Amino acid sequence: KAGVTQTPRYLIKTRGQQVTLSCSPISGHRSVSWYQQTPGQGLQFLFEYFSETQRNKGNFPGRFSGRQFSNSRSEMNVSTLELGDSALYLCASSRGQGYTFGSGTRLTVV
Amino acid sequence: QKEVEQDPGPLSVPEGAIVSLNCTYSNSAFQYFMWYRQYSRKGPELLMYTYSSGNKEDGRFTAQVDKSSKYISLFIRDSQPSDSATYLCAMSDDSGGGADGLTFGKGTHLIIQP
Repeated sequence: KAGVTQTPRYLIKTRGQQVTLSCSPISGHRSVSWYQQTPGQGLQFLFEYFSETQRNKGNFPGRFSGRQFSNSRSEMNVSTLELGDSALYLCASSRGQGYTFGSGTRLTVV
Repeated sequence: QKEVEQDPGPLSVPEGAIVSLNCTYSNSAFQYFMWYRQYSRKGPELLMYTYSSGNKEDGRFTAQVDKSSKYISLFIRDSQPSDSATYLCAMSDDSGGGADGLTFGKGTHLIIQP
């Protein structure tokens, strides 16, 4: 059974650029959530999508956005990148009892 | 006061020992409690999922939840070097994650010495 797939695994971007990260959930999972993980703050909730609708949103600026497609695949976008956006971005999918995480995309902003 | 407190460690124990990992929390609305294991350069892996107070056992792992004390624990029996990882507690007020998603502790770095 395929797990949660995130692409790309690594990204290096320049301050001010924008970036799009992709997530393919486990087949049959309609809920997809995104988290940011940093050494200082740990894992922080970005947003959750269910059936193509954003259901919940964490406390992040509007530069962080996302969407979900009809096949449950999800993307998140970060515009006007800042140095502080350097982090591991994790996608997780769920069918109701706990979340299965992908391996993440490590974003470095220089 | 942080919502979820977890000792960052590192916690170093000899192989075969029983490991006890703990988290305390302040939000009494939390009802769903999880433990995740995260290896370096990997995403968190769900180990245990429990609802409300009580114990749950799965192989070498036992999760305990005491809602009256706002305290959760994970016990690992017969610890192995392969158990060396960061262990994260997570909780929410809804089975689907809730309005604020999962709230995580910062993680405890566990080292099992061969």
